Amino acid sequence: AQSVSQHNHHVILSEAASLELGCNYSYGGTVNLFWYVQYPGQHLQLLLKYFSGDPLVKGIKGFEAEFIKSKFSFNLRKPSVQWSDTAEYFCAVNAGDSSYKLIFGSGTRLLVRP
Amino acid sequence: KAGVTQTPRYLIKTRGQQVTLSCSPISGHRSVSWYQQTPGQGLQFLFEYFSETQRNKGNFPGRFSGRQFSNSRSEMNVSTLELGDSALYLCASKPGTGGYEQYFGPGTRLTVT
Repeated sequence: AQSVSQHNHHVILSEAASLELGCNYSYGGTVNLFWYVQYPGQHLQLLLKYFSGDPLVKGIKGFEAEFIKSKFSFNLRKPSVQWSDTAEYFCAVNAGDSSYKLIFGSGTRLLVRP
Repeated sequence: KAGVTQTPRYLIKTRGQQVTLSCSPISGHRSVSWYQQTPGQGLQFLFEYFSETQRNKGNFPGRFSGRQFSNSRSEMNVSTLELGDSALYLCASKPGTGGYEQYFGPGTRLTVT
């Protein structure tokens, strides 16, 4: 069965620090990859997506992610975080016969200290 | 365009009762999916409806059911509530039943006592 792993469950950074959140998936075929963010008290919002093409994708609010097929990874990055980036981040994939649904990672809680 | 809306936002029910949650998708979106979010299990797929038909179902007991209306609005029903059903129930919509990005509503927070 397909699965998604997010190895960092909690991350604490100071403002202006760089961010990288890891995401690995298990599926050998074609995948669509997503990062969603859930700000405190708000609904899940799409940060960015990868379907095909350039493996470096840019999303909203200065976030980007790189798809590395050989490593089954889709890591999220931001060069300089802000206090307002405090949120929970979810990596998700849909793949193969299960393309109708999103399979989520367990999430990473990011706390940015001012 | 208005986003996905869900009602009610909060519910408190007693074990053994049943509950119905409602979801209105983004205009033009014909696929509605439901997910359960809990601290222990994370986000898990419940089912998907498209053109008033349940197309796919996750690994949940038969107490969890749903339906979709001709205007694409969807309802989810949970019967014989258990304490473990306490969760945030999220509705998501997308244009079709394939591998599109999904747009989520704010969720319904269900507490079972």
